[in-house]
Amino acid sequence: EAGVAQSPRYKIIEKRQSVAFWCNPISGHATLYWYQQILGQGPKLLIQFQNNGVVDDSQLPKDRFSAERLKGVDSTLKIQPAKLEDSAVYLCASSLGGDSSYEQYFGPGTRLTVT
Amino acid sequence: AQSVTQLDSQVPVFEEAPVELRCNYSSSVSVYLFWYVQYPNQGLQLLLKYLSGSTLVKGINGFEAEFNKSQTSFHLRKPSVHISDTAEYFCAVRHNQGGKLIFGQGTELSVKP
Repeated sequence: EAGVAQSPRYKIIEKRQSVAFWCNPISGHATLYWYQQILGQGPKLLIQFQNNGVVDDSQLPKDRFSAERLKGVDSTLKIQPAKLEDSAVYLCASSLGGDSSYEQYFGPGTRLTVT
Repeated sequence: AQSVTQLDSQVPVFEEAPVELRCNYSSSVSVYLFWYVQYPNQGLQLLLKYLSGSTLVKGINGFEAEFNKSQTSFHLRKPSVHISDTAEYFCAVRHNQGGKLIFGQGTELSVKP
């Protein structure tokens, strides 16, 4: 079974530029998550999708971050404009359902550096 | 709201020695508890989870954890570590009725020969 795929793996941009990350979840997984992991901290949930609907985006900085999951499969996360404090690893995860007992499978992440 | 505290940011240990990584949580409701491992430049991998039942949970790679409700702890243990166990370990909690996964700050386990 293929795992969660993410691209790119690394990205370096200047502040005020825009950037987009792509995630392809495990086939058949209805729930998709985007996390932000700042160096030295645990991952923090940015947004959770159930199929193509948003379940939780309470910690997404909506003035600069946006995410979509068209057709309930792939997802993109965009930052526009980027700030220095957005430097982090962005992790995508998926699970069969949104119930708490379902295991979340994580992708390798995209490491973003904002200069 | 739930929160997680990992009491040690770094744990150095010699190969074949036992190790314990400590995790305390705070919650006013029943929760599920998880331990994840993150190897360099990789995503997180689930080591083990506690949902209900036996308080001693066994996971992959010889790790186990014990849920202690009275002390609100979920410490991770391994009787004999290997060099390959060197990684970052994250404890996480989630309300058993749903909601987001809350992670601790992480513990860096460094196994030395």
